[in-house]
Amino acid sequence: AQRVTQPEKLLSVFKGAPVELKCNYSYSGSPELFWYVQYSRQRLQLLLRHISRESIKGFTADLNKGETSFHLKKPFAQEEDSAMYYCALSGGGSYIPTFGRGTSLIVHP
Amino acid sequence: ETGVTQSPTHLIKTRGQQVTLRCSSQSGHNTVSWYQQALGQGPQFIFQYYREEENGRGNFPPRFSGLQFPNYSSELNVNALELDDSALYLCASSFKGGSSYNEQFFGPGTRLTVL
Repeated sequence: AQRVTQPEKLLSVFKGAPVELKCNYSYSGSPELFWYVQYSRQRLQLLLRHISRESIKGFTADLNKGETSFHLKKPFAQEEDSAMYYCALSGGGSYIPTFGRGTSLIVHP
Repeated sequence: ETGVTQSPTHLIKTRGQQVTLRCSSQSGHNTVSWYQQALGQGPQFIFQYYREEENGRGNFPPRFSGLQFPNYSSELNVNALELDDSALYLCASSFKGGSSYNEQFFGPGTRLTVL
C-alpha cells in the first residue's frame, strides 16, 4: 500500500524566511513523487515532480529514499507563495497519484 | 485551448438519491480521472477512464460509476447517496500516449452536499 504523510496542517512564516514543507511516503517500489499547489480560488495544479529535478517558482524538492521523504523547500518565502500544498506519490508506472492531506502555507508580510 | 470544465458547481442532494456529475476534458486530452476531496483532506482517486474504458479504480464501492464519451467528456454517477459522500469532486484530464508521464490538469470541482 502506498501512503503520503504531510505532518503539518499549517505552516506560517514571514516574508523572506526559509520554508520547508515536509512530506514522507511509504511505498515498497520506486515511487514517483509530486508536489501540487492550490492558490486561493484557483485550481489544483502541478508544481513539480522529482524526476524533472526542476526549480519552479524558487521551490525545489529532493527525493531522499533513505528517509522516504520529499520535502519542498524555498530559501526566501514570498507572500504569493501562500497556498495549499499537496504532496503526492504514484507507483508502478500508473501515474495515478496518492495525495497527502495537504499543508496550508501562509506567508506574512 | 479550453481548460477542464465541470458542472454543476454546487449540488445538494438527500440521502438515498442518485447524482450525476459532468466533466469536459481539456482539448486534445483522452484520459479523465475523478477524485473525491473531503474537507481537510487531499484528493482521493476514484477511477480513471481512457478511450471510454475504466483504466484503474481506487477504493470506492460499486455505487460510484462512470462513463467516458467519444468526445472524451466524462460523467461520475453516485447511487444511494450517503452523508459521507459530501465532498468536492474533482475531474482531471490528461493525454495518455505510450508509457510516458503526462501531466493531469484539474477542473474547478463540483461541491456535493448530502443531507
